[in-house]
Amino acid sequence: GENVEQHPSTLSVQEGDSAVIKCTYSDSASNYFPWYKQELGKRPQLIIDIRSNVGEKKDQRIAVTLNKTAKHFSLHITETQPEDSAVYFCAASISSQGQNFVFGPGTRLSVLP
Amino acid sequence: DVKVTQSSRYLVKRTGEKVFLECVQDMDHENMFWYRQDPGLGLRLIYFSYDVKMKEKGDIPEGYSVSREKKERFSLILESASTNQTSMYLCASSSTSISYEQYFGPGTRLTVT
Repeated sequence: GENVEQHPSTLSVQEGDSAVIKCTYSDSASNYFPWYKQELGKRPQLIIDIRSNVGEKKDQRIAVTLNKTAKHFSLHITETQPEDSAVYFCAASISSQGQNFVFGPGTRLSVLP
Repeated sequence: DVKVTQSSRYLVKRTGEKVFLECVQDMDHENMFWYRQDPGLGLRLIYFSYDVKMKEKGDIPEGYSVSREKKERFSLILESASTNQTSMYLCASSSTSISYEQYFGPGTRLTVT
């Protein structure tokens, strides 16, 4: 079955710097890759997603890149702000089960003022 | 605006008790999911449902069962609670016809003593 790895598990950056979180997946048939942000004590919420027919997608300070050949995708946050501090989860769709995802273990991002 | 609610935010039960966790969504989504969230392990899928009265096992179904008698409601049942089921439980819903985005409930922190 699908397996998703995520690195690093924790990440600290200075406010204004960039942050990069990387994920790898095992199932070459996966075609949808969402990123969820979970602030402390709150529910996970989708922040950006990418489908397998696109190599890069950007939304303001957030971008996601996908390398299908290498089976890895990354989240890039530029000009980080304190409100970006949260746990970020990547996920990959399970090809045989439509909208089911396998989530990575998460990255705790701390943006230091 | 999608709303997913869960019956309790915090729950304390004794070993051996039968536990019911309920999830309700108000957006007529056909897909509903139950996840378990533990530190360092991300979100692990317990069960999911694509339609009323339909259920499929996820990655960690042992010790759990589910019920979906109505489209908006998806219940998770712990037949005989054990201490290793102490965790955060998250419900989610999605619609195949709209997007792959999963909308999460606020979570139930279950402690089994």
